[in-house]
Amino acid sequence: EDQVTQSPEALRLQEGESSSLNCSYTVSGLRGLFWYRQDPGKGPEFLFTLYSAGEEKEKERLKATLTKKESFLHITAPKPEDSATYLCAVPKVTSGTYKYIFGTGTRLKVLA
Amino acid sequence: DGGITQSPKYLFRKEGQNVTLSCEQNLNHDAMYWYRQDPGQGLRLIYYSQIVNDFQKGDIAEGYSVSREKKESFPLTVTSAQKNPTAFYLCASSMAPAPNGETQYFGPGTRLLVL
Repeated sequence: EDQVTQSPEALRLQEGESSSLNCSYTVSGLRGLFWYRQDPGKGPEFLFTLYSAGEEKEKERLKATLTKKESFLHITAPKPEDSATYLCAVPKVTSGTYKYIFGTGTRLKVLA
Repeated sequence: DGGITQSPKYLFRKEGQNVTLSCEQNLNHDAMYWYRQDPGQGLRLIYYSQIVNDFQKGDIAEGYSVSREKKESFPLTVTSAQKNPTAFYLCASSMAPAPNGETQYFGPGTRLLVL
């Protein structure tokens, strides 16, 4: 069964304490992996797209990496404003159309 | 500014009532999607449309209906047949499908509550 699993479910970090979030997937024939940030009561905000194993992308304190089975979102020296839920998603092709399978997210809390 | 708008931000539904959630985009995207988000669950696909006048059921379409009469608009109706409608509803859009998955962009969401 096609699945996207994120871990941990929740993470509390001190300001400046670096860590990584994990997104593992079992979808065959990967056609991209997407990372989003979601603040409470708001829609997800697009962060990164990764298409092939070994690919890396960076934005401020965030760096996303991709292997054949999982992706990591590394957060370096986080600040309280990085607190949010981080979602990953993988497209699945069904009858020539794309559906996107989402993980349940990692709730990140960065303490000052 | 290009983007996706959803209205209203909050919506209250009475027993037996149909309600319609609005979604408009000015990104010139062909594909549009409706998701439902419940606490502790991933986003679940309700309906999607790849082109005007065409739409497909997603994983949880029962109790919902949509239309796609214009490229910019993809309204979702929550019917009285949907027995547990309380959730956060998200609309998204993307360019036409490519060999790789296209990035989806999301609207701000509508929270639906039952009175």
